[in-house]
Amino acid sequence: DQQVKQNSPSLSVQEGRISILNCDYTNSMFDYFLWYKKYPAEGPTFLISISSIKDKNEDGRFTVFLNKSAKHLSLHIVPSQPGDSAVYFCAAKTSNFGNEKLTFGTGTRLTIIP
Amino acid sequence: DTGVSQNPRHKITKRGQNVTFRCDPISEHNRLYWYRQTLGQGPEFLTYFQNEAQLEKSRLLSDRFSAERPKGSFSTLEIQRTEQGDSAMYLCASSLGVDEQYFGPGTRLTVT
Repeated sequence: DQQVKQNSPSLSVQEGRISILNCDYTNSMFDYFLWYKKYPAEGPTFLISISSIKDKNEDGRFTVFLNKSAKHLSLHIVPSQPGDSAVYFCAAKTSNFGNEKLTFGTGTRLTIIP
Repeated sequence: DTGVSQNPRHKITKRGQNVTFRCDPISEHNRLYWYRQTLGQGPEFLTYFQNEAQLEKSRLLSDRFSAERPKGSFSTLEIQRTEQGDSAMYLCASSLGVDEQYFGPGTRLTVT
């Protein structure tokens, strides 16, 4: 049972344009969402997060949008740069004390075309 | 660099052998997590510790797997009688309380 889904295995975007990565979840108990970026032979690197009390969080070129009614979140990267080429994972958790495990999606490979 | 470190980075073992991996978290982080990642999948939660106490274990963690964090600092993950299905990347992460989890580079296990 895949509770966090990233339906696009790959995405190619021209340098300088906007990259939009999507994520859907099914578990309504999830109330905190994160995006991680992973380069080959490295562990995932935390990028940005959002609590379910918000619908948008921005950090520099990265913005995460949350639509709770649709159980959908997206990561926008603008402008896209060659160094953004990586695999992006969406993750979710509930914030109940004692339950800190992250549930990850299967990832989207983003390729930025120079 | 004071990030999360994992050793070894790669391990090749024969089926039936025991293996042990080590994770050193970021020094002030009190929580430590183990995940497993197979090809084409995202990381899957295995277990986590708050200080030296193991607070949650996934059903993925069969009785051949054991994890310890004896003094609330580094952690070890042991797999006994390895099987080919255990081949995966084993990732360790740490956090300060409920803050974001920071991952190490992983240990890639290949069981032949």
